[in-house]
This record gives sequence, structure tokens and C-alpha cells, in this order.
Amino acid sequence: TAGITQAPTSQILAAGRSMTLRCTQDMRHNAMYWYRQDLGLGLRLIHYSNTAGTTGKGEVPDGYSVSRANTDDFPLTLASAVPSQTSVYFCASSVTRNGAEETQYFGPGTRLLVL
Amino acid sequence: GQNIDQPTEMTATEGAIVQINCTYQTSGFNGLFWYQQHAGEAPTFLSYNVLDGLEEKGRFSSFLSRSKGYSYLLLKELQMKDSASYLCAVMDSNYQLIWGAGTKLIIKP
Repeated sequence: TAGITQAPTSQILAAGRSMTLRCTQDMRHNAMYWYRQDLGLGLRLIHYSNTAGTTGKGEVPDGYSVSRANTDDFPLTLASAVPSQTSVYFCASSVTRNGAEETQYFGPGTRLLVL
Repeated sequence: GQNIDQPTEMTATEGAIVQINCTYQTSGFNGLFWYQQHAGEAPTFLSYNVLDGLEEKGRFSSFLSRSKGYSYLLLKELQMKDSASYLCAVMDSNYQLIWGAGTKLIIKP
């Protein structure tokens, strides 16, 4: 079982360029999430989606946008990258969002360097 | 604000026992999670506590005290493969996970 896949694995991006990070899950989970992980900080939620067709803002949404056209895919777009967006980006999913004991499963991550 | 505190780094010896503490202050509480993250990899789920007490899973146990805003992860019979970061996360009243920065555990032979 693939679980959650992310692409690309890593990327170097020039500041001002746009980029879409891809995330696909095959577990038929309703909820999906995008986090960024920076050294010395906990995972920070960028955007989430409770179910296909809906999205919401997390703790650090500025500079990022998402869409959820179907259950499986949850792409994250950086419209105009800045160096502060250099980070490791993790996509995650859970069966639902609004329920306790909802374990989140993570993809392998995308390492992004913005120069 | 919401806050999760855990030690930045700990060192232990192969075969020994180590306890990683986590204290939290959050808006509401819907459970506490522990995840393991090896360097360069994704976090993977270890345990979930929502009621006070100890949950045991093989070599790993997790304890929760809601009145004290405190949890710990206990790792027994340490193996070299246990070298990783351990992330504490609390689910708040909005069902959002608030994450600690993680504790890097170094195992020495």
C-alpha cells in the first residue's frame, strides 16, 4: 500500500517563481493537511481540508494556496516563493478531522530551498 | 497562547530506559499523541492518550496527567534504531494538532 506520496522529493527554486507541491493518498481519507517543519520549531499547519471540495487556513497560510478537487489529491501552491519558505513540507491525512483519536499519517516530505 | 514543551535533546545508553517529558498548555484537550521521526523521514504514529494513566505498547509506554498538563514517553530496552526525534502533539478543542519542537534522542552503545 502506497499510503501518501509527495512530489517532488526536493527542489531548488528561485525567489519569485511559483511552484506546486503534489500530494496523493490512496487510503480514502477525508481529511488532508499541509505542514511545514523548520529546525527548532514544531510542525506548523499551513492549510487543511476536511473533505473534498473544502479547505481551511491553518497557523501559517500566507503565501500558500491549496485546492481539493477530489478525495485523493491535495496540492499546495506557492504563488511567488520567498526565501522564508525554505523548509521541509509534509502532507498528511486522517480518516476525518473533527474527531478525537484521529491519527494523522504523513507523506515522505518535500525539501524546498528558495534562493 | 498554546504551547508544547519538551527537551531539545537527550542521550541514553543502549539497553537502558529513557523517559521523554512533554508539558502542554492548550485551548481545550482532545488527546495527546506521540510520534517518532527518524532523520530525513516522515513522522510515524507511536501512541495516543486521552484518559489519565499509562498506555503500554511493547517497549514503548505513554503516560498522561490532564490535571498537570503533562505526559511522558517511556522507552525500555533501548536499541540503536530508537535514535530519532520524538514529537509530542496535543489535539485542541478545534481538533487541530499543536506540535512540540521534538526531542532528539541519541543512543550510545
